[in-house]
Amino acid sequence: GEDVEQSLFLSVREGDSSVINCTYTDSSSTYLYWYKQEPGAGLQLLTYIFSNMDMKQDQRLTVLLNKKDKHLSLRIADTQTGDSAIYFCAETATTGGFKTIFGAGTRLFVKA
Amino acid sequence: NAGVTQTPKFQVLKTGQSMTLQCAQDMNHEYMSWYRQDPGMGLRLIHYSVGAGITDQGEVPNGYNVSRSTTEDFPLRLLSAAPSQTSVYFCASSYRPLTGGGNNEQFFGPGTRLTVL
Repeated sequence: GEDVEQSLFLSVREGDSSVINCTYTDSSSTYLYWYKQEPGAGLQLLTYIFSNMDMKQDQRLTVLLNKKDKHLSLRIADTQTGDSAIYFCAETATTGGFKTIFGAGTRLFVKA
Repeated sequence: NAGVTQTPKFQVLKTGQSMTLQCAQDMNHEYMSWYRQDPGMGLRLIHYSVGAGITDQGEVPNGYNVSRSTTEDFPLRLLSAAPSQTSVYFCASSYRPLTGGGNNEQFFGPGTRLTVL
């Protein structure tokens, strides 16, 4: 079935770039998303990319999509301590009806 | 707009008890979902609704019931709580269907942390 995989932890120094990676299995995915979850809160959409795009940039965020390898990445430039959170990769699949598949989340630690 | 609200924030139940987790949204979204979040497992879809009067099962529906009598409310009922249902529960709503055209952002509530002893 559909699956989304991410590494569970990433630690970076303040000011460095963070790159969070994700792989997915459903080749019929139309949209791929990055959500951010801060402690004690629900998820909030950070950015998304349509499957016919290779890259999307939004201020400090860059999303890269490699459809051939089914690989999605989120790059955060100039990472700040406020970026410490859990980041979820998600895909919407056109097979199986109404559902979004979420990865397990990558916990980003930013060291001052 | 309040967005998506959930009550209660925290709940402790004994095995076998029943309860209802409340979810409401004021954005006139047709689509609402319930997820559970467990460590290392991401979010798993329990039940969802594509409009008032219409619900369907997600990935992990056993032990839970839902109903959707209004566009605004989508309660989740635990029929007979079990320790395996200890989790954080999130309700989400969205304007578009997730497999339809256009980006579909989901708006999440703050979550309910449930412990079953």
